[in-house]
Amino acid sequence: SAVISQKPSRDICQRGTSLTIQCQVDSQVTMMFWYRQQPGQSLTLIATANQGSEATYESGFVIDKFPISRPNLTFSTLTVSNMSPEDSSIYLCSVRTGNSGYTFGSGTRLTVV
Amino acid sequence: EDQVTQSPEALRLQEGESSSLNCSYTVSGLRGLFWYRQDPGKGPEFLFTLYSAGEEKEKERLKATLTKKESFLHITAPKPEDSATYLCAVQGIQGAQKLVFGQGTRLTINP
Repeated sequence: SAVISQKPSRDICQRGTSLTIQCQVDSQVTMMFWYRQQPGQSLTLIATANQGSEATYESGFVIDKFPISRPNLTFSTLTVSNMSPEDSSIYLCSVRTGNSGYTFGSGTRLTVV
Repeated sequence: EDQVTQSPEALRLQEGESSSLNCSYTVSGLRGLFWYRQDPGKGPEFLFTLYSAGEEKEKERLKATLTKKESFLHITAPKPEDSATYLCAVQGIQGAQKLVFGQGTRLTINP
């Protein structure tokens, strides 16, 4: 199965600033997925990123708040913009791995103060 | 809208005490049901994918089963290292490759 490296693993940010999270996969994949896991909650899909096209956002998530880049088949970034304390969450990227399901990165724990 | 409900929210067992975790789901058409294990501070670790009612899969002390409305994760003679949060997710035919997750069951195995 694919191996995902996600950076940073954690960060503490001031409100009003932005943070860019990187996701690197050790193999080429068509689709990459970005999830959010709020404290005590389960995972919610933010958007799906295809190489060479704009990301597709789920209801409740907008591009201005969560811009995504997908410059090639092994890399993607998610930016959390103009952060507020409500954005404090774990952000995870994920890829489909053959027939064995979806692999997740180790996550980025974001705290906004 | 696809929905997943897991029960119980938390479960505490003694080492060797077998039990089952429940995942009830509603989905327009099931492409797959997924079980994951998540340890604190880590991303979910893939366990199983089930595709149709009646299907069963096993891995060490874990066995996952699927009906048309729910899935069970059976844990036989658990050990303390099985302590984790277990997540269930579904992929429906209308959601592209979107996974809809349940809230998880936090399992603690006491030695």
